[in-house]
Amino acid sequence: GAVVSQHPSRVICKSGTSVKIECRSLDFQATTMFWYRQFPKQSLMLMATSNEGSKATYEQGVEKDKFLINHASLTLSTLTVTSAHPEDSSFYICSAITLNRRLLAGNTDTQYFGPGTRLTVL
Amino acid sequence: QKEVEQNSGPLSVPEGAIASLNCTYSDRGSQSFFWYRQYSGKSPELIMFIYSNGDKEDGRFTAQLNKASQYVSLLIRDSQPSDSATYLCAVNKSGGYNKLIFGAGTRLAVHP
Repeated sequence: GAVVSQHPSRVICKSGTSVKIECRSLDFQATTMFWYRQFPKQSLMLMATSNEGSKATYEQGVEKDKFLINHASLTLSTLTVTSAHPEDSSFYICSAITLNRRLLAGNTDTQYFGPGTRLTVL
Repeated sequence: QKEVEQNSGPLSVPEGAIASLNCTYSDRGSQSFFWYRQYSGKSPELIMFIYSNGDKEDGRFTAQLNKASQYVSLLIRDSQPSDSATYLCAVNKSGGYNKLIFGAGTRLAVHP
């Protein structure tokens, strides 16, 4: 299967600082990556979609200036949480799809998920 | 109305029994449906997907889809304690390229 990694797996930071989370596709080229956020006992909420070399598309209600996404290459996307506050504490998960080794479910590409990053803002 | 609804559970079944997990969705244009398993503190892992009405079997798992009723289910046969996890139903958003809408998940507990 396609492997996606995230770094770091856990991060604790002080309020007001910025945190960068990396998402890498290890054995495939990720044409599109997705960033999700999951609060305890809640579902995954899509934050944004990023395509290599272009600006990310943010979901309604997600502040693009607070959650900076950069998809600089076909194997790396980064999410930077700027001026983090305790309410930003959450589980951040990325996923990726590839057009090289597509696993199509009807008209939808199957997403390969990273292991997630647990962010705690003090 | 939530876009994807699941009973939060917990659904408790004895080892060896069949676990039945249900999901309803509101977007009639959705065509692809996914079941993910998520262990506590971990990210989701894909169990299976379905996009045609009817049943689809993969090992101990069977997904069932009824688009007219906007209903999708997952059956787990011969449930094992290792199946204890939260099961997430995800539905593609019509008109949104590859976007998935997730339900809140059903927590399954399989007891020996």
